Amino acid sequence: GQSLEQPSEVTAVEGAIVQINCTYQTSGFYGLSWYQQHDGGAPTFLSYNALDGLEETGRFSSFLSRSDSYGYLLLQELQMKDSASYFCAVRRGATNKLIFGTGTLLAVQP
Amino acid sequence: NAGVTQTPKFRVLKTGQSMTLLCAQDMNHEYMYWYRQDPGMGLRLIHYSVGEGTTAKGEVPDGYNVSRLKKQNFLLGLESAAPSQTSVYFCASSRSGTEGYGYTFGSGTRLTVV
Repeated sequence: GQSLEQPSEVTAVEGAIVQINCTYQTSGFYGLSWYQQHDGGAPTFLSYNALDGLEETGRFSSFLSRSDSYGYLLLQELQMKDSASYFCAVRRGATNKLIFGTGTLLAVQP
Repeated sequence: NAGVTQTPKFRVLKTGQSMTLLCAQDMNHEYMYWYRQDPGMGLRLIHYSVGEGTTAKGEVPDGYNVSRLKKQNFLLGLESAAPSQTSVYFCASSRSGTEGYGYTFGSGTRLTVV
């Protein structure tokens, strides 16, 4: 079978750094993606890791360790607008099909 | 560009009724997907398509049918709606290729089956 695990909720203060972890078990793994979804909105693409290591895009970074079946999303200099749900998703196969985790609700407090 | 457009945005159905959700994209993407999102369960893949005229089953295909007659459109049908199909439905599209291209999602259809 396949499964993805991520914490259900994380709380942090404005200006801080937060890490959201994701562990997965799946066959046919191609890579790990991260998506952001504000309440009531559409998910938006943040990052994709196919190889081990850290990918940085502005305040957001994403890490992957294929040998540990583990990845994380790192958000720096947190802002109130970063309050949202964050989903990790495993890419299975060349068709770019994604299997999503259940999401982590990030609450940024002043 | 509009990106991915879903219609309708809201709908209430009675048990046993049928309906079709329409997804249209103007980015010339090869791949299209239908997901449903329920509280606490994330997004689950219903069906997907890797090109015009082709469709495949995802994680939760039962009770749904799809068609991709034109590259830009991907239709999701419910033949006989059930309360368990009350959900938010998202359509997405992406480029094809070896890289893991990000999805562009539509704004969703909120469906209630009573």
